[in-house]
Formats: sequence, structure tokens, C-alpha cells
Amino acid sequence: DAGVIQSPRHEVTEMGQEVTLRCKPISGHNSLFWYRQTMMRGLELLIYFNNNVPIDDSGMPEDRFSAKMPNASFSTLKIQPSEPRDSAVYFCASNNRVSGANVLTFGAGSRLTVL
Amino acid sequence: GESVGLHLPTLSVQEGDNSIINCAYSNSASDYFIWYKQESGKGPQFIIDIRSNMDKRQGQRVTVLLNKTVKHLSLQIAATQPGDSAVYFCAAATQGGSEKLVFGKGTKLTVNP
Repeated sequence: DAGVIQSPRHEVTEMGQEVTLRCKPISGHNSLFWYRQTMMRGLELLIYFNNNVPIDDSGMPEDRFSAKMPNASFSTLKIQPSEPRDSAVYFCASNNRVSGANVLTFGAGSRLTVL
Repeated sequence: GESVGLHLPTLSVQEGDNSIINCAYSNSASDYFIWYKQESGKGPQFIIDIRSNMDKRQGQRVTVLLNKTVKHLSLQIAATQPGDSAVYFCAAATQGGSEKLVFGKGTKLTVNP
């Protein structure tokens, strides 16, 4: 298995531009998570899906952030408009949600720089 | 809510020594704990997990100890190798509640040859 695949690996954009980050979870995994990592705040959960349905988006910073999961093999995290404070590494993770299992497999991350 | 913190942001050890990374959590209802390793430029990688009905679990060269009385867990790495150099995160969750793992800030382990 190729693992969780994220794209792009790096993105540099200017303030106000739209940013779309993409994730392909591991085949067969039914839960997908979006995390953001910064030096100041560490790893923060933004949103997660079970069976393509958003379950908890309480970690999404504000309305500029949105996430979708149109099917079991693809998810996007969109920031519109982007701001410099959105600069971070964004990780996607997935797992197969069996009873009592919380082991997430993370992708390599998308490093976002907003100028 | 839950908060998870590590005692030391950095740890430096000599190759071959044992390493101990500590972590504290705040929510007494937390019943699942997990350690991740993150190398530079990569995503976090699962190391070992433990449930609250255990106080010790061993893997290959790693041991996790859980002390529920003082809400503390530790990761012990035996015979530390240069390849163990990374940032280590602990995380906690409540099984009966959300699936959300709350991560600590991480401890950067440096292994000196």
C-alpha cells in the first residue's frame, strides 16, 4: 500500500489566494482526519470524517476553511482566502475504525506558506 | 478538555544509552494513549499504544509505561540509535467519547554518536 498520499507537498501562495490541499487515504480505511501542525500550537485536529461524512469540524479555525470528502478515496481541505497565519504543515491521516482502535496513519504533509 | 504535555522539549543522549521521554495528561477519563515518532519532513509514525487497563506494554526496543494515578506516561527506548533521532509525540483519547486524539507538543530526541 502506498500509504496516505497528500498533494501538494509544498505550496507557496500570496495572501488572499485560494489554497486546496488534497488527500487520498489508505484503501479500506473509513475514517479520515485533517491536522494542522505549527511550532506554537503543535498538532491540532481540524476535522474528521467517518464513511465520508463530517463528524466533528470544531477544530476548523474559521469560515475560511472548508473540507470535503466526496468519496472514500479523496478529500480536500480548502482555505479561501488564505492569510499568512495559515502558514503551517497540514497533515491528512486515516484509519480503519474498528472498536477501540485509534492508530492513525499519517501522510507526509503539505507545507503551506502564505506570503 | 484534555491537554497533553511533555516534560522536556529536547533530550540529548549518547548512542547505546537508554532514552526516557515523559508525558503528562490532564483528563482522568482518557483511556487510550499512543506514541508517535516524527522525522524531519515526514508525517508522524506510530510507535506503540497502550490502553488504560494496562500499565506497561513492550514493543521492539520500546516500552510504554502508564501511571494513571498521576496521569503520566513514558516512552523508553533501549539502546538508542542515531536513527531514533526525531520528535516524539504522545497523544491521549477517550474511547467512549470522541475519536479525537489530543497531541502533546513533542520532545526532540537527539542521539549523539
